[in-house]
Amino acid sequence: GENVEQHPSTLSVQEGDSAVIKCTYSDSASNYFPWYKQELGKRPQLIIDIRSNVGEKKDQRIAVTLNKTAKHFSLHITETQPEDSAVYFCAAWGDYKLSFGAGTTVTVRA
Amino acid sequence: GAVVSQHPSRVICKSGTSVKIECRSLDFQATTMFWYRQFPKQSLMLMATSNEGSKATYEQGVEKDKFLINHASLTLSTLTVTSAHPEDSSFYICSARPGGGTGELFFGEGSRLTVL
Repeated sequence: GENVEQHPSTLSVQEGDSAVIKCTYSDSASNYFPWYKQELGKRPQLIIDIRSNVGEKKDQRIAVTLNKTAKHFSLHITETQPEDSAVYFCAAWGDYKLSFGAGTTVTVRA
Repeated sequence: GAVVSQHPSRVICKSGTSVKIECRSLDFQATTMFWYRQFPKQSLMLMATSNEGSKATYEQGVEKDKFLINHASLTLSTLTVTSAHPEDSSFYICSARPGGGTGELFFGEGSRLTVL
């Protein structure tokens, strides 16, 4: 089955700086890669996603890149703000299910 | 976007009792729903895939007799934790996708189960 690895597990950045989270996946047939933001006790919220036929996607301060050959994808958050502090999960859709990375706790220091 | 609703949001029960959690797709039909479990400070782990009108598919290590899944209609799946024990205390979240295929999964609000 699919195995998704995510790094780092924690990330502390100064407000205004960028944050980068990286993930790798094992199943070359995986074709959909969403990123979620989860606040304590809440459901995961989709912040951006990318399909396997696209290399990069951007939405305001958030961007995702995908390298199918290397089987890795990354989340980039620019101009971080305190409200960006949360746990972020990458995920990969393959074998008819969505598998999650272990999560990254992002703290934005004011 | 599509809406998935889960109930109850919180439940506390005594050890040995059973608890049922409902997951509904409010504005779309879902032939497949997914049940996840999330322990504190951990990731979402897929427990099972619920298929309308047929048996659920359980992930390795998940006891099918303990976590009963019923997907009797295109808008409702239920998860019953039977003979619950303290180690079953967790955050249970369901999800579904309109129209099947590849695309955004919509998540329920989650159900916090505490077994005393």
